Amino acid sequence: DIQMTQSPSSLPASLGDRVTITCRASQDIGNYLRWFQQKPGKSPRLMIYGATNLAAGVPSRFSGSRSGSDYSLTINSLESEDMAIYYCLQHNEYPYTFGAGTKLELK
Amino acid sequence: EVQLVESGGGLVQPGRSMKLSCAASGFTFSNYGMAWVRQAPTKGLEWVATISYDGSSTYYRDSVKGRFTISRDNAKSTLYLQMNSLRSEDTATYYCTRGVYPGGYWGQGVMVTVSS
Repeated sequence: DIQMTQSPSSLPASLGDRVTITCRASQDIGNYLRWFQQKPGKSPRLMIYGATNLAAGVPSRFSGSRSGSDYSLTINSLESEDMAIYYCLQHNEYPYTFGAGTKLELK
Repeated sequence: EVQLVESGGGLVQPGRSMKLSCAASGFTFSNYGMAWVRQAPTKGLEWVATISYDGSSTYYRDSVKGRFTISRDNAKSTLYLQMNSLRSEDTATYYCTRGVYPGGYWGQGVMVTVSS
């Protein structure tokens, strides 16, 4: 199975900060990488698809990038509504695997 | 508006069975593969199973293979997850999602608790 190593697990940050969350794939997954945001008691929301593409309705302060087997989600100018848990997902091959999640919280 | 509404969850004893349903509306159900994703209490997301648009292909994670069956009724625009031989580690909120892999549309989730 492809392992998605996500870091950090917790990320204290202040409003207005620029933050980056990273997932490292244990095998080549191409650009078959998605990012999801989940708030307490809610269903996950797609943020980024194809590693770098912004999903519909997602604010432009969110962006995705790739460097080799490292995939990153960056949020510029953090807002209070961005506090949530973020997960990466590889869907290059079965079983699809999620990262363990990053909890973004106010410092 | 795309809507996915899960039902059928609840409390079940270990070793017993349960069938989840996901009623879809707002799109042509028969054009899309579908998937189930689960989340144990306070834990992360876990892909469970996927079915192709016509039901001809199915895929499962190893831990549920042979116990769970994903199926669909395109005439009723409904996705199913038959869960047999349930274990305590199957306790989770189960989400249905549109697409062969999790994407932009998710149901609200249904809780399944496996306990004696």
